[in-house]
Amino acid sequence: EVQLVQSGAEVKKPGESLKISCKGSGYSFTNYWIGWVRQMPGKGLEWMGIIYPGDSHTRYSPSFQGQVTISADKSISTAYLQWSSLKASDTAMYYCARHRPHYYGSGSYFDYWGQGTLVPVSS
Amino acid sequence: QSALTQPASVSGSPGQSITISCTGTSSDVGIYNLVSWYQQPPGKAPKLIIYEVTKRPSGVSNRFSGSKSGNTASLTISGLQAEDEADYFCHSYAGSSTVGVFGGGTKLTVL
Repeated sequence: EVQLVQSGAEVKKPGESLKISCKGSGYSFTNYWIGWVRQMPGKGLEWMGIIYPGDSHTRYSPSFQGQVTISADKSISTAYLQWSSLKASDTAMYYCARHRPHYYGSGSYFDYWGQGTLVPVSS
Repeated sequence: QSALTQPASVSGSPGQSITISCTGTSSDVGIYNLVSWYQQPPGKAPKLIIYEVTKRPSGVSNRFSGSKSGNTASLTISGLQAEDEADYFCHSYAGSSTVGVFGGGTKLTVL
């Protein structure tokens, strides 16, 4: 069974750093892209970026380029999303999801999702 | 890149059918048959229910179906049940420079 298990909620203050995780199991972690998706309170879904754990190739949404860093440790089947200096506007639920990329007219969807990591940022 | 346009809310009674629209442009929905739909019950993570416009993942009820005409994709839920009450999001591929674009989401209320 494919599972993505995310780290627990983190209450942070503006200016603090944070790294949240997403551990995959039940499939070959290195062979599938993992994406990070933000959902601000009461709002919709926004893709932030994706990473291919096999070689750590990463693509960012222009809206999040330079704001976050996505990484992966394939030895422990875990992807990460990190901030160096959080802002109150980063308050959101963050989901990781396995991404099936576009390939010869098929794909481009997220087929398995983690349970989400809530990140409230407040002074 | 603008989000795809969905109605903010739809409602229906148990047993009825409802349709949720997802309008994009000729650069995303209109040109690619790569629209997916996600169901997000209150307080839970999204779940894939339709991919590549019409395909259902294993285990998803056949009460859920997808279609597309021009720049608009649609999700139809037949035989509405109370458990279908959730937010629904569409997503479309939009070219090689991006992973794609989501719709703003539609809240389904089962009366």
